[in-house]
Formats: sequence, C-alpha cells, structure tokens
Amino acid sequence: NAGVTQTPKFRILKIGQSMTLQCTQDMNHNYMYWYRQDPGMGLKLIYYSVGAGITDKGEVPNGYNVSRSTTEDFPLRLELAAPSQTSVYFCASSRGTGYNEQFFGPGTRLTVL
Amino acid sequence: AQSVAQPEDQVNVAEGNPLTVKCTYSVSGNPYLFWYVQYPNRGLQFLLKYITGDNLVKGSYGFEAEFNKSQTSFHLKKPSALVSDSALYFCAFLYGNKLVFGAGTILRVKS
Repeated sequence: NAGVTQTPKFRILKIGQSMTLQCTQDMNHNYMYWYRQDPGMGLKLIYYSVGAGITDKGEVPNGYNVSRSTTEDFPLRLELAAPSQTSVYFCASSRGTGYNEQFFGPGTRLTVL
Repeated sequence: AQSVAQPEDQVNVAEGNPLTVKCTYSVSGNPYLFWYVQYPNRGLQFLLKYITGDNLVKGSYGFEAEFNKSQTSFHLKKPSALVSDSALYFCAFLYGNKLVFGAGTILRVKS
C-alpha cells in the first residue's frame, strides 16, 4: 500500500513551458486535492475532486488545469509556466467527506526560471 | 472572512517541557478544526481533529488539543516535548469540502 505518490520529485521549467504533475493514490479514496505551499503562507488549495469526472476550483486555480478520469489518478497541468508558480506542490486524498483526514504525497518541488 | 490564525511563527521549548502551539479561529457555526504536522521535506500528516463532542481531543504521537468556544481557540499541546517533535505545525478548518490552513508554526525542541 503506497498511499499517495507524486512524480516528479523535482523539476526546473523555463518560462512558458508546460508540464504535468502526476498524482496517484491506491486507497480507493473519492476525494483528491492539489495544494501549493509557499514559505510562510501555509497551503493553498488549487483544485479538488470529489470523484472521477468531477473537479472544482480551489482558492488559487489560475494557471492550472486538472482532470480526473479514474479514481486513482489526479494530474495537475501547468500550461504556460510563470515564475509565480515556483512552489512545492502537494497532492492529497481522503475517504468520503471533507472531515476525514487527508493523506498527503511527498510533494513536487517546482522552479520556474 | 472565515479563517484560522496561528499567532506564533516559531515556538521554542526544551526537551521534556510541556509545549503549546496556538490556533485561534474565526469560523461561523460549529467549526470542524484540524491539526497537521509536516516534517522536513515531507508531506503533511494528520494529528487530530475536533468535530463535535468532548472539547479535549487526543491524537497521534501523544498530542492533544482543546477546543475552547468562548476563546475561539484550538491550541495543540503535549505534556513532554521530544526533539523529534520539531516540525512545522498547521491548524486548519473545514470550509465546505475543503480544508483551509493557517500559515503554520515552526516548533523547535532543544535537548
């Protein structure tokens, strides 16, 4: 049981490049989330999903897109990378409704130069 | 706007002493409150939550938190700190289906 896995661990992008951050969970959780963490700012929710085929915006969705075609996978797409997207990105999942604990992946450290 | 606040950027405590990491909330209705911990270069881990019932909530690794409605607080406590407790601690509340996190408090436990 691997929990929540994220790839890659690190990535450096040039301004304007695109990439997809991968997230997979093997706990059969319905809810999945993408956060970004900036120093001193806590975690900000980018997008979330309550099940396959259903996604919704969080607090800071601009510049990102998501899809949820399966229960297990919740990729995050950056279309035109900007320096403001330099951050650490965490994927999380939870069972059932929002008040169940969230399980976090190890994170992806992204630098946009 | 609804929020949680962690008034201390950093808390320093000696090993063996009691520790408190503070959290206050401004949430309408009955708040659902959480504590998470983040060790260096790791994702967050759930510690405990308050949904309803007993105001004293016990969680992982010997941590507990007390929900205080009159003071709108949900402070995290541990009777005897360990060096291994050194980490970044986040308070959060549930807003719809989403967690909203505070800015975090660094806990440093010195031997």
